[in-house]
Amino acid sequence: AQKITQTQPGMFVQEKEAVTLDCTYDTSDQSYGLFWYKQPSSGEMIFLIYQGSYDEQNATEGRYSLNFQKARKSANLVISASQLGDSAMYFCAMRERQTGNQFYFGTGTSLTVIP
Amino acid sequence: DGGITQSPKYLFRKEGQNVTLSCEQNLNHDAMYWYRQDPGQGLRLIYYSQIVNDFQKGDIAEGYSVSREKKESFPLTVTSAQKNPTAFYLCASRPLHTDTQYFGPGTRLTVL
Repeated sequence: AQKITQTQPGMFVQEKEAVTLDCTYDTSDQSYGLFWYKQPSSGEMIFLIYQGSYDEQNATEGRYSLNFQKARKSANLVISASQLGDSAMYFCAMRERQTGNQFYFGTGTSLTVIP
Repeated sequence: DGGITQSPKYLFRKEGQNVTLSCEQNLNHDAMYWYRQDPGQGLRLIYYSQIVNDFQKGDIAEGYSVSREKKESFPLTVTSAQKNPTAFYLCASRPLHTDTQYFGPGTRLTVL
């Protein structure tokens, strides 16, 4: 079974609007971390935001917020006030702390911001 | 400046040749990772290392080898046994007692 599922291969958003990128995960660990990374066309993976499984509040970092719904095993990324520079691939990832040090990545969502 | 460097950015090799990709970090991170990314796909783990002189295979280790002789360096050798080596290779590092890993700029390997 896939550890991380991103069901939106591509998304479009109007500049200055908000957009939600979906991510669901599968784990039997009680302790884990969830991440979102941005990959522009240059290829570098840029860390955006982190949520620990025991964190009760949703993580926020500037225009990025993570909508963490533990019972549904979802960790959606919300980008507010989209900018042209937000156009990139976005990857959701998870680290299971109890079963090892591996990170699992989804297949990514390509976001295009339209002027 | 602190960070992770990978060199070269683009690498071309003939089929059947071994090639070594460099990854260096000056962040004093303990764990280091190598990933492979193919077009339209996510990242797949090749090898990772938590301490010097120790490393573990990831999901797709066949045809690759690594060494960790120094904390700051984790080179990856793509051997001739790797059937489809053309890909984008990303190195990452992580402090031992935190979750977040940080990535280098990547090396794009093309085997002709």
